Amino acid sequence: NAGVTQTPKFRILKIGQSMTLQCTQDMNHNYMYWYRQDPGMGLKLIYYSVGAGITDKGEVPNGYNVSRSTTEDFPLRLELAAPSQTSVYFCASSYSLGVYEQYFGPGTRLTVT
Amino acid sequence: DQQVKQNSPSLSVQEGRISILNCDYTNSMFDYFLWYKKYPAEGPTFLISISSIKDKNEDGRFTVFLNKSAKHLSLHIVPSQPGDSAVYFCAAGGGSNYKLTFGKGTLLTVNP
Repeated sequence: NAGVTQTPKFRILKIGQSMTLQCTQDMNHNYMYWYRQDPGMGLKLIYYSVGAGITDKGEVPNGYNVSRSTTEDFPLRLELAAPSQTSVYFCASSYSLGVYEQYFGPGTRLTVT
Repeated sequence: DQQVKQNSPSLSVQEGRISILNCDYTNSMFDYFLWYKKYPAEGPTFLISISSIKDKNEDGRFTVFLNKSAKHLSLHIVPSQPGDSAVYFCAAGGGSNYKLTFGKGTLLTVNP
């Protein structure tokens, strides 16, 4: 049981490039989330999904896109990377409606230069 | 507008003593509160939680206290151990969705 896994661990992008951050969970959780954490700040919600085929915006969705074609996978797409997207990105999952405890992946550290 | 505030960026305590981490919130809709622990280069891990119907929840060395009238919660770690050194995030949720709002975190250092 690996929990929540994220790839890659680190990535450097040039301004204007695109990339996809991968997230997979093997706990059969319905809910999945993407957060970013900037230095000295808390985690801010980018997008979340309550099940396959259903996604919604969080607090800071601009510049990102998501899809949820399976229960296990929730990739985050960055189009036209900007320096403001330099951050650590965490994926998380939780079991269902009514359960607040979220389980986090190890994070992806992204630098845009 | 910060709805969950952790006003102490850092806290240093001696091994064996009590660590008290504080968190304040402003949104009256919050009815569930969690503490997460984060080591460098790892994701946050769930530590302990409390529902608004309780004022205390205990799990081993960790106790969370909730004061709803003051919109304040605290995490007590007794006794503190060097392995407890980490960033602790307070998080709150409530309403019809189950999203969490996080504080900025407090770096706890437990000195041997």
